[in-house]
Amino acid sequence: TQLLEQSPQFLSIQEGENLTVYCNSSSVFSSLQWYRQEPGEGPVLLVTVVTGGEVKKLKRLTFQFGDARKDSSLHITAAQPGDTGLYLCASRFTGTASKLTFGTGTRLQVTL
Amino acid sequence: DTGVSQNPRHKITKRGQNVTFRCDPISEHNRLYWYRQTLGQGPEFLTYFQNEAQLEKSRLLSDRFSAERPKGSFSTLEIQRTEQGDSAMYLCASSLGSSSEQYFGPGTRLTVT
Repeated sequence: TQLLEQSPQFLSIQEGENLTVYCNSSSVFSSLQWYRQEPGEGPVLLVTVVTGGEVKKLKRLTFQFGDARKDSSLHITAAQPGDTGLYLCASRFTGTASKLTFGTGTRLQVTL
Repeated sequence: DTGVSQNPRHKITKRGQNVTFRCDPISEHNRLYWYRQTLGQGPEFLTYFQNEAQLEKSRLLSDRFSAERPKGSFSTLEIQRTEQGDSAMYLCASSLGSSSEQYFGPGTRLTVT
């Protein structure tokens, strides 16, 4: 069974703080996606990373893919209350071309 | 709106009843996926279709579950003889091809009483 571990599970911070969320596996990813999910809604795709060592930026969000393609991180700069939500990493593992395996998520709360 | 849509958004049913959910994917997407998400967990894969063919089913999909995509467009997921353990959010996603990104609908929240 291929598992994705996310840490931390919960994070409560104040507006303006920075944070990093991690996603790790013992297996190699063929690609990795980061999603954000709000209560009662489906996950919304933020980014896809494919190449080992890749870094992508989306406004205040920076996504990094590990060189060995077994880990990824999401860094948020100057968090805002609108960043509140459940952050999920999801991967297609090598040899499983179709389905996504999701991590358990990091629940982020940003307060004023 | 041309995203993935799901109906109903919420369903409350009594144990033992049958329920059916519908998913309409993004129109040009040939792949459609069903996932289930329980409280505090990430979504878990149930099954997927390429056009009208169901190509993979998870061990999570017991005999009480059946999914169809008769014309390669919308899909339905039916649960027969519902159990309390079936209570979850059922999510549908679609993609264009096997390696492209999956886009999710808003989900159907099922509560079995």
